[in-house]
Amino acid sequence: DAMVIQNPRYQVTQFGKPVTLSCSQTLNHNVMYWYQQKSSQAPKLLFHYYDKDFNNEADTPDNFQSRRPNTSFCFLDIRSPGLGDAAMYLCATSRDQARGWEQYFGPGTRLTVT
Amino acid sequence: AQSVAQPEDQVNVAEGNPLTVKCTYSVSGNPYLFWYVQYPNRGLQFLLKYITGDNLVKGSYGFEAEFNKSQTSFHLKKPSALVSDSALYFCAVRAPYSGGGADGLTFGKGTHLIIQP
Repeated sequence: DAMVIQNPRYQVTQFGKPVTLSCSQTLNHNVMYWYQQKSSQAPKLLFHYYDKDFNNEADTPDNFQSRRPNTSFCFLDIRSPGLGDAAMYLCATSRDQARGWEQYFGPGTRLTVT
Repeated sequence: AQSVAQPEDQVNVAEGNPLTVKCTYSVSGNPYLFWYVQYPNRGLQFLLKYITGDNLVKGSYGFEAEFNKSQTSFHLKKPSALVSDSALYFCAVRAPYSGGGADGLTFGKGTHLIIQP
């Protein structure tokens, strides 16, 4: 089945130690998104790629970066994780205007910062 | 800027009774509206969407939602609740496509739906 895959599902990192979260998709969608969801809060958009074009939200900290080497893969890099970055990170994809940009979400990666 | 309000943190319903989870939105132009469900430690699952057309939208698992433009609402409904419907429900909005790229969704804070046996 076509899907959005996130690895790992659970990630523990140390304060200040760089960490990379991975997302892949078999849907061949041209848009990929990263959301941060803290406990009991709504998902918050960090940035998205429209094909190769990177779009950063205005309030996304510089500590968060992203890479999209090809259509299928997208990475979230946290350069120096702080305790406040502990959250669930959700990757999503969407395809086209005709479908109203319906988004398909992966299962998420829960990041713990020690 | 667009926004979504889910006024209830929690909704309790007895199994077999109808349920409603409320959502109101604010966006420029005609909105794209979505409902997602999230189970513990899982990603979001798409339930239904309104883009255009009939104001009553039917989705997965027997859920439906009614778009009301005058009240800027998009309430989620189900005629007969199941215990397995217990989860966290998010309403989301996206502004109409403007040709500038694919902006993400703006989510409400979520409503915990608890179905009591």
